[in-house]
Amino acid sequence: QVTLKESGPGMLQPSKTLSLTCSFSGFSLSTSGMVVSWIRQPSGKSLEWLAAIDWDGDKYYNPSLKSRLTVSKDTSNTQVFLKITSVDTADTATYYCARSIAAISTFDYWGQGVMVTVSS
Amino acid sequence: DIQMTQSPSSMSVSLGDTVTITCRASQDVGIYVNWFQQKPGKSPRRMIYRATNLADGVPSRFSGSRSGSDYSLTISSLESEDVADYHCLQYDEYPYTFGAGTKLELK
Repeated sequence: QVTLKESGPGMLQPSKTLSLTCSFSGFSLSTSGMVVSWIRQPSGKSLEWLAAIDWDGDKYYNPSLKSRLTVSKDTSNTQVFLKITSVDTADTATYYCARSIAAISTFDYWGQGVMVTVSS
Repeated sequence: DIQMTQSPSSMSVSLGDTVTITCRASQDVGIYVNWFQQKPGKSPRRMIYRATNLADGVPSRFSGSRSGSDYSLTISSLESEDVADYHCLQYDEYPYTFGAGTKLELK
């Protein structure tokens, strides 16, 4: 059974660094083809793909935020992390992680999402 | 970036209606389009993958089609549980991009 769950600080101040964790089970990111992505959604707005990391450690970023994003994974291949530097109120959103299997299945499983508010 | 222009942004519907939502891709994305359903406070749920394939557990009243660069999601005989937001996604190339979403509301 594949599950993903995001965790994060809930609230942080402008200019700080946002750190998010996606913990998952039911698959390993060391398995060929596996990819975990981060997607966010401001309240009442559409979805925005942010970044992805694959089984081989290759990383992909949305150019609109690339300079502020860092995606990584842990050595046990059961967690993926996202850091966003210099946050401002526009980064207030629900952040999701989602699994894909390259060339086979994209965003077939999602986490429940974690709401992050940037406010002074 | 590839733009996915989704229409309409909202739709007033009745139970039993046939509903069609469309996304137009700004460049060729082949079959690499998914459709997602999202209910308030919930994560998106994949409904259609590779433009025309029904995801596991999705009722057969949902279907996906493609005509050139236009991708459509059709819901036949709308049921109350189908009232939700719907999003298209292109995953032909990074950065993956979503449509702006369509909100279905009951008349």
